[in-house]
Amino acid sequence: GAVVSQHPSWVICKSGTSVKIECRSLDFQATTMFWYRQFPKQSLMLMATSNEGSKATYEQGVEKDKFLINHASLTLSTLTVTSAHPEDSSFYICSALGQPVNTEAFFGQGTRLTVV
Amino acid sequence: AQSVTQPDIHITVSEGASLELRCNYSYGATPYLFWYVQSPGQGLQLLLKYFSGDTLVQGIKGFEAEFKRSQSSFNLRKPSVHWSDAAEYFCAVKAAGNKLTFGGGTRVLVKP
Repeated sequence: GAVVSQHPSWVICKSGTSVKIECRSLDFQATTMFWYRQFPKQSLMLMATSNEGSKATYEQGVEKDKFLINHASLTLSTLTVTSAHPEDSSFYICSALGQPVNTEAFFGQGTRLTVV
Repeated sequence: AQSVTQPDIHITVSEGASLELRCNYSYGATPYLFWYVQSPGQGLQLLLKYFSGDTLVQGIKGFEAEFKRSQSSFNLRKPSVHWSDAAEYFCAVKAAGNKLTFGGGTRVLVKP
C-alpha cells in the first residue's frame, strides 16, 4: 500500500508556543488530506479536510485560527497548532487520498503532542 | 448523517479462540466500509474494506468481515487469535467528500 509519513512522532512544547506537524505522501500524489484528533481511549475525530492548493475545510467546532492547515503541494500537508495550551495535548493523525489509488485513504503513524 | 456503532468497548479473548467484533452503520446510500487496527501510539492500518460485490471480504492477518445490508452490519471475524492481535479496532464508513466516520472502537485483549 501507499506510504504516509508523519513527523514528528512526538513533540513536547511550552504553553503559548506553536508547533508544526508534517504529513507527507511518499509514493503517491495526495490530492486530499485529512487531519484527525484522538483523545486517549477514544475514537478519531475529523478536524479538517484539505485539498491541494485550496483552503482547508474545517469541521464544526474546530477553530481554524488555532489549527492552521496548509496543503501547498501534492505530497505535503502541515498542521500548525498555534498558541498551544495543555488542552491541545492529544494524538494527531493525518491521512491522505490521491492518485493512483483514490478509493481509500492511507494513514500516517500519528503525532503525540504534549503541551506543558 | 452517517454513523457507526461498535457496541463492544472491550473484548477479552483467549489466544487461539475465535474473535468477532460487531459494527453497525447508518448511511443512506451504498456504504463503503472499512476495518482498521491501531496499536498503542500508532496510526491506523487497514485490515479490509468493502465497496461492492462479494459480501464476505478477506483481509490481512487472517481477518474477514461480512457485509449484511439487511442488518446494517459489517462484523469482523478471525478464527484463531494470536497475542499480537491485541489492539484497538475501528470500523468506519466513507461518506460524501471521502470523509471517514469512525465507530468508537473496540479494544481487544488476548489472554495467554
